Amino acid sequence: GAGVSQSPSNKVTEKGKDVELRCDPISGHTALYWYRQSLGQGLEFLIYFQGNSAPDKSGLPSDRFSAERTGGSVSTLTIQRTQQEDSAVYLCASSSAGGLVEAFFGQGTRLTVV
Amino acid sequence: TQLLEQSPQFLSIQEGENLTVYCNSSSVFSSLQWYRQEPGEGPVLLVTVVTGGEVKKLKRLTFQFGDARKDSSLHITAAQPGDTGLYLCRGGSGGSNYKLTFGKGTLLTVNP
Repeated sequence: GAGVSQSPSNKVTEKGKDVELRCDPISGHTALYWYRQSLGQGLEFLIYFQGNSAPDKSGLPSDRFSAERTGGSVSTLTIQRTQQEDSAVYLCASSSAGGLVEAFFGQGTRLTVV
Repeated sequence: TQLLEQSPQFLSIQEGENLTVYCNSSSVFSSLQWYRQEPGEGPVLLVTVVTGGEVKKLKRLTFQFGDARKDSSLHITAAQPGDTGLYLCRGGSGGSNYKLTFGKGTLLTVNP
């Protein structure tokens, strides 16, 4: 596609339920990032995928969070047993390489845990 | 983890005013990016600076990278309501380059 696509755009879930957030990066981009953004705040790094290398999961806040990237393309961020503090906008970005090249962001998934 | 401190955190000004926002770190960055994020959207790249002392201009926006590559500033001349948004800096260096630390951002509101 022309840009990074994230789905769903909005998700409301009950506390304790699992959710899956999807990211379709720009075709051919080898690097993919997930960030979390609370209301009016900056971006909190969650996880980074680069090519076939092992992902950097150091930003995941707890073991309830996991992510995978299939075939070097689509990525799914899974949050198990959601808590109210998980409510935030989850942003995905991709870039043509690792390092400080331009990152292209999706519009994000706004997650609300009630 | 390298930290980027952005200031001010919030800025509300009238149309036509000038402003400067800052991005500072105690660490040296090999390069630094500025992004702008509008409500409901993802951040969009404005500029990348790579050389100490570098100045880049983008219409009414002027970006400067400090000589020591530890700080950067963004100056906006004659701000317009369309400049409203969250301005984020992002830096990287060395082995942790790929994490590309973001600052917390400056939320700018330009009132008509």
